[in-house]
Amino acid sequence: NAGVMQNPRHLVRRRGQEARLRCSPMKGHSHVYWYRQLPEEGLKFMVYLQKENIIDESGMPKERFSAEFPKEGPSILRIQQVVRGDSAAYFCASSPPLAPEQYFGPGTRLTVT
Amino acid sequence: AQKITQTQPGMFVQEKEAVTLDCTYDTSDPSYGLFWYKQPSSGEMIFLIYQGSYDQQNATEGRYSLNFQKARKSANLVISASQLGDSAMYFCAMRETTIGANSKLTFGKGITLSVRP
Repeated sequence: NAGVMQNPRHLVRRRGQEARLRCSPMKGHSHVYWYRQLPEEGLKFMVYLQKENIIDESGMPKERFSAEFPKEGPSILRIQQVVRGDSAAYFCASSPPLAPEQYFGPGTRLTVT
Repeated sequence: AQKITQTQPGMFVQEKEAVTLDCTYDTSDPSYGLFWYKQPSSGEMIFLIYQGSYDQQNATEGRYSLNFQKARKSANLVISASQLGDSAMYFCAMRETTIGANSKLTFGKGITLSVRP
């Protein structure tokens, strides 16, 4: 049973470009969460999605950030017009319905130059 | 208000000994869950153990156990028989169930554990 998959593992973008981060949840998992980890800090919640629905986006910055989890395909976290402060590790986690455990992917390390 | 507190600056333990990593939390929700994750230097987040607020017994998973003291709002992780591969960052996290069984996790700042040979 494959774990949560994220790609790319490393992403370098220049200021002003767009970053697209992908997450494929574990088989049978219909809930996806995105978290951001700044250096030397814990993870901060960004958004929680189910298929075709955003359930909780209370941790998403109001501008430039968006997320989706379409009926088919991976979940996408999109950052438009990236700035240096967006440099971080972005983790995706998934969980099955009605179970508390969240299983994390390996993360995408975004570097904005 | 900080919901998960991990204040130990860094922990050292001798190989094969036990070590306790501290975590205190704050919530007004009567139903919640507590988690521990391990983050080695390679960067991935590894789920270790889960404790529900209504669970009668402390959770155990192999060498990991969770010392859950509800009245004191603490959820310390105990690692028995430490191994060199246990050297990593350890994060305590909490889920409040205000919006159902699946909801976001709030993480502490983490504790670095170093196991000495």
